[in-house]
Amino acid sequence: GQQVMQIPQYQHVQEGEDFTTYCNSSTTLSNIQWYKQRPGGHPVFLIQLVKSGEVKKQKRLTFQFGEAKKNSSLHITATQTTDVGTYFCAGWDAGNMLTFGGGTRLMVKP
Amino acid sequence: KAGVTQTPRYLIKTRGQQVTLSCSPISGHRSVSWYQQTPGQGLQFLFEYFSETQRNKGNFPGRFSGRQFSNSRSEMNVSTLELGDSALYLCASSLARPEAEQFFGPGTRLTVL
Repeated sequence: GQQVMQIPQYQHVQEGEDFTTYCNSSTTLSNIQWYKQRPGGHPVFLIQLVKSGEVKKQKRLTFQFGEAKKNSSLHITATQTTDVGTYFCAGWDAGNMLTFGGGTRLMVKP
Repeated sequence: KAGVTQTPRYLIKTRGQQVTLSCSPISGHRSVSWYQQTPGQGLQFLFEYFSETQRNKGNFPGRFSGRQFSNSRSEMNVSTLELGDSALYLCASSLARPEAEQFFGPGTRLTVL
């Protein structure tokens, strides 16, 4: 079945540093979604990427979808303490199932 | 617009018992998906319902079942509980296509003793 791997599992950064999490799928995806889960909270939708090579920005967050539609990344510029949480990618494939990556837990030291 | 609601928020059961969890999607959303979240396995898809029909199913044993009512509200049932079923069970709704943006509820924290 489809597998979605996400690295790193954990990332500690100093406030102001950049952060990147990477997502790789074993199969070609029809789209990929990114979610953020704050400690003690539930996943909240951030963005969806559909097109090969697509790049989308949300303020300090930049999302990319690979040309082969099998990988994606989320980059945060100049992290803030409000960025703390676990970031998940989730991919849709032809199996009509949303498969989540293991998540990257971001910790920001003020 | 009210968000996705789940009841109960916390539940403690013993092995062998069964449990029913409830989810009310956002008004107008017809697709409801269920996920199990554990520290070891992460977020895993259980099943998805649309218009009272199970449309997709994840790789979980038959002890996990669900249903959806005509008002789109959904329930999931776990029978013969095992210790490993302790998890946060999340419900998510979307407008129609399950591949659309998922709106998650706060979850039900199930502890099996």
